[in-house]
Amino acid sequence: DTAVSQTPKYLVTQMGNDKSIKCEQNLGHDTMYWYKQDSKKFLKIMFSYNNKELIINETVPNRFSPKSPDKAHLNLHINSLELGDSAVYFCASSRLRGEGTDTQYFGPGTRLTVL
Amino acid sequence: DAKTTQPPSMDCAEGRAANLPCNHSTISGNEYVYWYRQIHSQGPQYIIHGLKNNETNEMASLIITEDRKSSTLILPHATLRDTAVYYCIVRVGGGKLIFGQGTELSVKP
Repeated sequence: DTAVSQTPKYLVTQMGNDKSIKCEQNLGHDTMYWYKQDSKKFLKIMFSYNNKELIINETVPNRFSPKSPDKAHLNLHINSLELGDSAVYFCASSRLRGEGTDTQYFGPGTRLTVL
Repeated sequence: DAKTTQPPSMDCAEGRAANLPCNHSTISGNEYVYWYRQIHSQGPQYIIHGLKNNETNEMASLIITEDRKSSTLILPHATLRDTAVYYCIVRVGGGKLIFGQGTELSVKP
């Protein structure tokens, strides 16, 4: 009965490959997010979707493409992986659009290593 | 950029109260203060949030000064499992959570 789940937990791949990370939430929330935590431990928001609509799109290379097939899922596809993409990626969800008291709940993370 | 300033690290003895300060001098009137913690690269865990009044839940208490320029998270009886990085966040518009460097709390036996 995990609230926000991500697969895979670890992902090791070669430069230039294309990979996807999947996120699912069973909380009935309307909004989902992707965050990136780099080697210096800074957590930064990348995207958010509300009911399958993109509402936050930070300055992220267009090699990163989020896809939301339904409001319970938000996948992150990364093309032409680079060394600098190595990081831990966290998915999160919130009930509404994330304003005011709308709390975000995070998944366990996916550690991506690009060789 | 994060709108908060926190000490990079703190120590606390097990069983004692841990008081984690946060400065947010540029906070706007309708912006909430949120606290999360991250235990050893796990996903950030929500702790508590507040606007003006002090708040308490089963995990912690949040004390916000009257001018709202600073706040303190209180873990009343710290345990070894409370060792983590604690993030104080001012929720800005658009639903973003902007994380700063946080405070690395070490609870020692």
